[in-house]
Amino acid sequence: KAGVTQTPRYLIKTRGQQVTLSCSPISGHRSVSWYQQTPGQGLQFLFEYFSETQRNKGNFPGRFSGRQFSNSRSEMNVSTLELGDSALYLCASSLEGQGFYEQYFGPGTRLTVT
Amino acid sequence: AQTVTQSQPEMSVQEAETVTLSCTYDTSENNYYLFWYKQPPSRQMILVIRQEAYKQQNATENRFSVNFQKAAKSFSLKISDSQLGDTAMYFCAFMKQRTGNQFYFGTGTSLTVIP
Repeated sequence: KAGVTQTPRYLIKTRGQQVTLSCSPISGHRSVSWYQQTPGQGLQFLFEYFSETQRNKGNFPGRFSGRQFSNSRSEMNVSTLELGDSALYLCASSLEGQGFYEQYFGPGTRLTVT
Repeated sequence: AQTVTQSQPEMSVQEAETVTLSCTYDTSENNYYLFWYKQPPSRQMILVIRQEAYKQQNATENRFSVNFQKAAKSFSLKISDSQLGDTAMYFCAFMKQRTGNQFYFGTGTSLTVIP
């Protein structure tokens, strides 16, 4: 069974631009969560989508948005990029929407904002 | 709000020895889940072990075991017979029950296994 895939793996953008990251969950998984990982802040929760609906949202500004499609693939968008948005963005998928189900992480997208 | 604290930014252990990574958390929830995730240099996060708060018995997975102290809000990870492949960043994580998949992570402990 294929794991969680994220595209692109690396991305370089300029301040003020916008970016879209993609996450394809493991087949059959309906929950997709997104995290931002930085050396200073560690791993911070962005949002979770389950069956095309945003169910949980972290404390990030409105520039960060996401969506989930009917095939459970998810995209994350960041508008008006800032230098501080440089980070590793991880997505994780889970079989069910809640509870004691293992979350499987993708390899991440390394975003560099210059 | 939930917070997870890992007070050891870096640790090292000799191959074949035992090491314990500390984690404390703060929550007003009574039912929740705790996890240890491993992130090797390749960056793929891998689940190491998990614990349900209502279970008093400590979880064990081969060489990995936890010491879960609910009253003290402590959740430490013990790695026995350390192997070179255990070198990684280890994250402690907390999840509330029945609220979807939202992890609260600690800042991580970088573990190096020395040959």
